[in-house]
Amino acid sequence: QVQLVESGGGVVQPGGSLRLSCAASGFTFSDHAIHWVRQAPGKGLEWVGVIWSDGSNKYYADSVKGRFIISRDNSKNTLSLQMNTLRASDTAIYYCARDRGPVAGTSFDSWGQGTLVTVSS
Amino acid sequence: QSVLTQPPSVSAAPGQRVTISCSGSNSNIEKYPVSWYQHLPGTAPKLLIYHSHQRPSGIPDRFSGSKSGTSATLDIAGLQAGDEADYYCETWDTTLSAVVFGGGTRLTVL
Repeated sequence: QVQLVESGGGVVQPGGSLRLSCAASGFTFSDHAIHWVRQAPGKGLEWVGVIWSDGSNKYYADSVKGRFIISRDNSKNTLSLQMNTLRASDTAIYYCARDRGPVAGTSFDSWGQGTLVTVSS
Repeated sequence: QSVLTQPPSVSAAPGQRVTISCSGSNSNIEKYPVSWYQHLPGTAPKLLIYHSHQRPSGIPDRFSGSKSGTSATLDIAGLQAGDEADYYCETWDTTLSAVVFGGGTRLTVL
């Protein structure tokens, strides 16, 4: 069955960096765009960014643009989120989510369980 | 302030019907299909509706979606205690070139 497993979360100081990973299995990874979505404590879902199935396009939320970078390795069925210049407001559970199609704009039909990132001194 | 506007909370008794609204604009809902998700704390969100009105396999027909103009709605009929959760609408915004979520609606089954 479709499975997405996030890893790499933890505690980091403001201004620091962290790299999250998402390991995919149970489907043809290269057929789907993959998104990152986060939920800060007590807040709603917030979209972070997306990478198309072939990696040719990436889009980011304004709140992370210029600080976060999404990449993927279709040969290893993995997705990464490099987070730089972290702020307290980046504290959240980070989910990777599969898009139904190869590009963004359809819907997220499978989600991982999430990994917690805490930005604190 | 979310681009898509949802009521913060709705409530109804078991067996009743509830409607959750999602209001957007001509740069998002009017142009693109809407999806709806159910999210219970501590779990992964679940896709309930895609393409504004389609249900993935395994989602009961108690859940239905519709869209008109710049608004979308999620209807839940025959409410059950297990339906208590947060519900989010989502679509693409062409002006932002970004996915946008509603602020979420907390459903309470009385």
